[in-house]
Amino acid sequence: EPEVTQTPSHQVTQMGQEVILRCVPISNHLYFYWYRQILGQKVEFLVSFYNNEISEKSEIFDDQFSVERPDGSNFTLKIRSTKLEDSAMYFCASSDRVLAQHFGDGTRLSIL
Amino acid sequence: GQQLNQSPQSMFIQEGEDVSMNCTSSSIFNTWLWYKQDPGEGPVLLIALYKAGELTSNGRLTAQFGITRKDSFLNISASIPSDVGIYFCAGPLGEYNFNKFYFGSGTKLNVKP
Repeated sequence: EPEVTQTPSHQVTQMGQEVILRCVPISNHLYFYWYRQILGQKVEFLVSFYNNEISEKSEIFDDQFSVERPDGSNFTLKIRSTKLEDSAMYFCASSDRVLAQHFGDGTRLSIL
Repeated sequence: GQQLNQSPQSMFIQEGEDVSMNCTSSSIFNTWLWYKQDPGEGPVLLIALYKAGELTSNGRLTAQFGITRKDSFLNISASIPSDVGIYFCAGPLGEYNFNKFYFGSGTKLNVKP
């Protein structure tokens, strides 16, 4: 079964550094999402992306965050200047219809 | 932000028992999604509900979309050890915005063999 793949599985970064999290959505999917999950808490919506532009973003997704689909297969989340509170699991998801989202296994981001 | 309240927060059951958990909101949802998350993995979609009153099954799992559109429940029959995990309800808030999804706080299920 096709999968959403995310790399790296674990990223350790110094506070203030830029980080790019990468995702390869399922190939025929058109809708892409990033979510965040702080340890032990619920999954939080960050941003949705369709037709090469952001469809919706949450209050968490401030100017430090950006997303890009640089080619036909990758979907990236960039955090420009990381803060300690950015430490979390970041999940990418994609769907062919807006509702049936398939999630990757996440990137654990640790900010030191 | 929008709150989806799940109950119970956690439960410990014996293998073979049936399980019921629910999700409520103060706002109307037009779609309810139920996900399971295993440790170290991403959420996996179990059941999607699209219409008020809808009752849908997926193997031993059954979920219903409440008539008021403010709640949903998930039942698991004859639980087995691999049912252990965290179950989340989720959905897009509002009738026309399908781009922003809210997740509940989760129900952690423990199954004793």
